[in-house]
Amino acid sequence: AQTVTQSQPEMSVQEAETVTLSCTYDTSENNYYLFWYKQPPSRQMILVIRQEAYKQQNATENRFSVNFQKAAKSFSLKISDSQLGDTAMYFCALLEYGNKLVFGAGTILRVKS
Amino acid sequence: GAGVSQTPSNKVTEKGKYVELRCDPISGHTALYWYRQSLGQGPEFLIYFQGTGAADDSGLPNDRFFAVRPEGSVSTLKIQRTERGDSAVYLCASSFDTSGETQYFGPGTRLLVL
Repeated sequence: AQTVTQSQPEMSVQEAETVTLSCTYDTSENNYYLFWYKQPPSRQMILVIRQEAYKQQNATENRFSVNFQKAAKSFSLKISDSQLGDTAMYFCALLEYGNKLVFGAGTILRVKS
Repeated sequence: GAGVSQTPSNKVTEKGKYVELRCDPISGHTALYWYRQSLGQGPEFLIYFQGTGAADDSGLPNDRFFAVRPEGSVSTLKIQRTERGDSAVYLCASSFDTSGETQYFGPGTRLLVL
């Protein structure tokens, strides 16, 4: 069965600094997709970044980038120049071909001024 | 609309009552998903639709839960004989199709069963 593990329940970072959130996963598939979603207190789940497993190049979206290590089944999220608006719960999620997302338990990120 | 919408935003009901939760996906998205998120946890898959048919309902916890999507757009999640353990946020998502496309989420319905 697919599993996603986020081992950091909470993280804090100073404004303008860099923080890395960890995620490991398990799947028997060779082709799959990985996502990071952000969920602020408003409850809205917002896509941060997406990675296709068949692509070796790490995805980047402005201040957000990933370190995708397929052999190690690791998918960490790096947030550069952290902003107060980045404060939220962050979920790592795995999508195998087809349908359901499997989510980790989440990491609460607090950005401090 | 521009995004996925869900109604109601909040629902309070009494144990044993019937509730319906509605999801309106992004226009043109053929796939629609329901997830349930308990407090402090990640969302868990319930069911997904490709068009009008339920393609995978393996996440529905029991036969009190049922969902429909009669015209391939709006979906309704129905819960009969609600129990206190059903209290959670119910999230709906849609995607253009199911070939690894990104799922876009609505704001959720917070259900509280007293």
